[in-house]
Amino acid sequence: GENVEQHPSTLSVQEGDSAVIKCTYSDSASNYFPWYKQELGKRPQLIIDIRSNVGEKKDQRIAVTLNKTAKHFSLHITETQPEDSAVYFCAAINNAGNMLTFGGGTRLMVKP
Amino acid sequence: GAGVSQSPRYKVAKRGQDVALRCDPISGHVSLFWYQQALGQGPEFLTYFQNEAQLDKSGLPSDRFFAERPEGSVSTLKIQRTQQEDSAVYLCASSLAMNSNQPQHFGDGTRLSIL
Repeated sequence: GENVEQHPSTLSVQEGDSAVIKCTYSDSASNYFPWYKQELGKRPQLIIDIRSNVGEKKDQRIAVTLNKTAKHFSLHITETQPEDSAVYFCAAINNAGNMLTFGGGTRLMVKP
Repeated sequence: GAGVSQSPRYKVAKRGQDVALRCDPISGHVSLFWYQQALGQGPEFLTYFQNEAQLDKSGLPSDRFFAERPEGSVSTLKIQRTQQEDSAVYLCASSLAMNSNQPQHFGDGTRLSIL
């Protein structure tokens, strides 16, 4: 089955700096890669996703890049703000096209 | 409501008791998923419904876990004879379409504590 590895597990940045979180996946047939933000005690919230037919997608301060050959994808947050502090999860859809396989999460701390 | 709704938000049960967790998906969403999230970890897949059909239950950890969605809308996850290792947050998600590549939207989850 699919295996998703995520790093770093924790990331501390100064407000205004950029943050990058990286994930690798094992199943070359995976074709959909969402990113979720989860604040303490709250639901995972979809912040951006990318499909395998594109290499990059941007939404304001957030961007995701996908390298299908290397089987890795990354989340980039620019001009970080304290409210960006949360746990971020990457995920991949398996080749059967239903369940999400999640990475282990990255705790992002943005210091004011 | 506009989002996925789960109840109860918190459930405390004694070991050996049965529990039932409810999920109301977004109206019109065909697909419904249950995930289990242990403390400090990512969610892990339990089971998947397309309308009322349970198409994948490969993630259910044991035969004590049972899920149903009899009318293709509300779903219930039941855990019989609960054990301490069942303590976790149980998340429900729904998506609009049957095919892959569709965003899954999560509820706030039920935090289950087994004493």
